[in-house]
Amino acid sequence: AQSVTQLDSHVSVSEGTPVLLRCNYSSSYSPSLFWYVQHPNKGLQLLLKYTSAATLVKGINGFEAEFKKSETSFHLTKPSAHMSDAAEYFCVVSDRRGYQKVTFGTGTKLQVIP
Amino acid sequence: DTAVSQTPKYLVTQMGNDKSIKCEQNLGHDTMYWYKQDSKKFLKIMFSYNNKELIINETVPNRFSPKSPDKAHLNLHINSLELGDSAVYFCASSQPALEQETQYFGPGTRLLVL
Repeated sequence: AQSVTQLDSHVSVSEGTPVLLRCNYSSSYSPSLFWYVQHPNKGLQLLLKYTSAATLVKGINGFEAEFKKSETSFHLTKPSAHMSDAAEYFCVVSDRRGYQKVTFGTGTKLQVIP
Repeated sequence: DTAVSQTPKYLVTQMGNDKSIKCEQNLGHDTMYWYKQDSKKFLKIMFSYNNKELIINETVPNRFSPKSPDKAHLNLHINSLELGDSAVYFCASSQPALEQETQYFGPGTRLLVL
């Protein structure tokens, strides 16, 4: 069994300040972890992924995430928020056994204040 | 060059009608998925097909019937539509043979049942 918990349903930051979106997971196997972003009325776009290589993963648009096995966390960060970062962010866990079965978190809505 | 495309983008229909949503991917992937995103943005997997064979069926009512004529297409037919079927439906594809598989999402089909 696997699950993923996004600890904040809404996060509000000022433009130019750091972003932290929190994600905790549980998995019976060595998981793959992903962050996806969904802009209003758009599909989902992959930001970054962890698949057992480097624990610090860099993604698109300046985002990065660190896999911490001891804390079962995969928090998403960005040093400086931009207005265009306002969107819904989903943390996703995959158990990588055979055919991929993924579980989505409930999403975190990021608001960026000018 | 759209990687995963869905038609229609919007679908408004009456209760009790039967409707279909089409999905096509040009990525050469073997596996395709259907997800349902509810009004609270929660994403839940419905079906997964690998090389035209059903591999995941997540307790979806049998009014929903996926059909995969070839591995590049996965269509979703819904019989006797109900109000609760109103949601955004996302198609996705991936290549499970690769350890670092990533799911690529279509733009979504916004279904409104009146």
